[in-house]
Amino acid sequence: QKEVEQDPGPLSVPEGAIVSLNCTYSNSAFQYFMWYRQYSRKGPELLMYTYSSGNKEDGRFTAQVDKSSKYISLFIRDSQPSDSATYLCAIVSSGGSYIPTFGRGTSLIVHP
Amino acid sequence: GAVVSQHPSWVICKSGTSVKIECRSLDFQATTMFWYRQFPKQSLMLMATSNEGSKATYEQGVEKDKFLINHASLTLSTLTVTSAHPEDSSFYICSASTGGRTYEQYFGPGTRLTVT
Repeated sequence: QKEVEQDPGPLSVPEGAIVSLNCTYSNSAFQYFMWYRQYSRKGPELLMYTYSSGNKEDGRFTAQVDKSSKYISLFIRDSQPSDSATYLCAIVSSGGSYIPTFGRGTSLIVHP
Repeated sequence: GAVVSQHPSWVICKSGTSVKIECRSLDFQATTMFWYRQFPKQSLMLMATSNEGSKATYEQGVEKDKFLINHASLTLSTLTVTSAHPEDSSFYICSASTGGRTYEQYFGPGTRLTVT
């Protein structure tokens, strides 16, 4: 079992839809949870990070962490074609090097 | 803020030659820099971590003599792919962090290497 599992998609939705992107993880020592957005042929861009269970909101984006289920989500409200990209979750364990373990990314397509 | 650049953005080279990729933090001091490799529709694979002025720490399975990493200053790291072969063709991405916060990384735009 991989430490971080993420469905690669693609996930195709109409403009304006609410998008739910998810990751599961196996290591209960994971403490920091991040979401990156990567456009085609570009480097990842940090969207949000949190280190606690619950929700964190930033504009149209909401990150949700459920440590008891080892499950994290990113919700995008009012999705736009410009949101079309690959979204990678990244998780860090406490102690050690604090270097993230990345999911393989979910490809999102928002069509007009 | 937190801008990382990479040069070149893409490069084609012949098998057996060496290629150098530069990674620069433009508006902050990068105490730690990272080099990743990414295959199509795959996640980022960490190759090595380097701290300014120190030797790089390579991940298991990464050939340190083939992928030479130099982190000469707080704003520049280089990756040299020596004696490149077609199987080295990939998307190479660097990232940088500051102040010991290695969980908060800022990525460069990536370099696409094609070895013919």
